[in-house]
Amino acid sequence: QVHLRESGPGLVKPSETLSLICSVSGDSISNSDSYWGWIRQPPGKGLEWIGSLYYTGSAYYSPSLEGRVTISLDTSKNQFSLNLTSLTAADTAIYYCAREPYHAGACWFDLWGQGTLVTVSS
Amino acid sequence: QSVLTQPPSESGTPGQRVTISCSGSSSSVGNNFVYWYQQLPGTAPKLLLHRNNERPSGVPDRFSGSKSGTSASLAISGLRSEDEGDYYCATWDDRLSGPVFGGGTKVTVL
Repeated sequence: QVHLRESGPGLVKPSETLSLICSVSGDSISNSDSYWGWIRQPPGKGLEWIGSLYYTGSAYYSPSLEGRVTISLDTSKNQFSLNLTSLTAADTAIYYCAREPYHAGACWFDLWGQGTLVTVSS
Repeated sequence: QSVLTQPPSESGTPGQRVTISCSGSSSSVGNNFVYWYQQLPGTAPKLLLHRNNERPSGVPDRFSGSKSGTSASLAISGLRSEDEGDYYCATWDDRLSGPVFGGGTKVTVL
């Protein structure tokens, strides 16, 4: 059974960089045909796609966040990570990692982590 | 403001049928498959339907989806108290070149 789990700081200061890790068990990131994505949800609001990563290392980002976001693989640890720079209060959200069977032409996230709340505040 | 438009809320009594609409455009719903996610209170979203109307393993057949032109809908038949939560439609947007979600619909079981 495949499981995803997010980890990282719960509180980050404005203008700093957020770094989150998604640990995957039960599936190999480097051998899978899947993409691996990040989605966020501000408190009480809807879902927003952040970006997606293929096992080859190719990454795709939301136009609204491109320039501030980087998603990368660590195949030795079967993890993928999210870096988001120049944080503001608007980045306060629950951040989810998810498995994505297909990317182009789809919005198909079939397995999700439990999510981690990140608050941006001084 | 979301690319996909959903009603903020819908409600029904146990056993009733509830329908949630999702309106998009020719570059989103009109040209791509629609996906539906269920988010129960305090939990992560869960894939409910993929490719317009296909149910992942374990999803009851009380949930069904349809699509026509630039609109889609999710129907919940035989509404149950455990169906109470938020429902999101989602698709790919050709102009944004990425996945997009609707604003979500809160379903209340009266």
